[in-house]
Amino acid sequence: EAQVTQNPRYLITVTGKKLTVTCSQNMNHEYMSWYRQDPGLGLRQIYYSMNVEVTDKGDVPEGYKVSRKEKRNFPLILESPSPNQTSLYFCASSLGGRAGNTIYFGEGSWLTVV
Amino acid sequence: EDQVTQSPEALRLQEGESSSLNCSYTVSGLRGLFWYRQDPGKGPEFLFTLYSAGEEKEKERLKATLTKKESFLHITAPKPEDSATYLCAVQGSGNTGKLIFGQGTTLQVKP
Repeated sequence: EAQVTQNPRYLITVTGKKLTVTCSQNMNHEYMSWYRQDPGLGLRQIYYSMNVEVTDKGDVPEGYKVSRKEKRNFPLILESPSPNQTSLYFCASSLGGRAGNTIYFGEGSWLTVV
Repeated sequence: EDQVTQSPEALRLQEGESSSLNCSYTVSGLRGLFWYRQDPGKGPEFLFTLYSAGEEKEKERLKATLTKKESFLHITAPKPEDSATYLCAVQGSGNTGKLIFGQGTTLQVKP
């Protein structure tokens, strides 16, 4: 089954404690990205990756890092989480990022920073 | 600046009562307009992509249409299982693959 898998699905952590949210896709997609969803603000792109070793900032990259060492994986790293990073996070992937290709989303990761 | 506005914010229908959801957009060089369905606590589920004005796509009780300024998601004879938030997003000509989302329309269909 084609899917985008995120882990963990739910996490409560404390300010400053580094954490990683993993994302994996099994569709051999080149393009992957991360979004956060907040009430009243909708979904906003954090980072994206056109292919292995190619990443770039989206609209709200502050406080986040990513890496793309393998095609299937695109982890989101919060080096020093703060309460304003409490949000619902989605990983997404598509065949390519430039041609209106369908973008598929994971199930989401609820992150609470206290 | 690329922007998407959806209306209404919330819509309550009786089962079988057809209606339409609106998505108005401004974007530089439309690459695609996407409709997604999102259930509470879940990720957006892809419904349709429309690429050019005049295009229409259908899936079961849903039909999406596109003009140069807006898109409509028509729901014919909805059922309670159609209750969800419907998200509209556009992808512009920039090379980021980014989707610009609207705030969504939350649809509730009562039996």
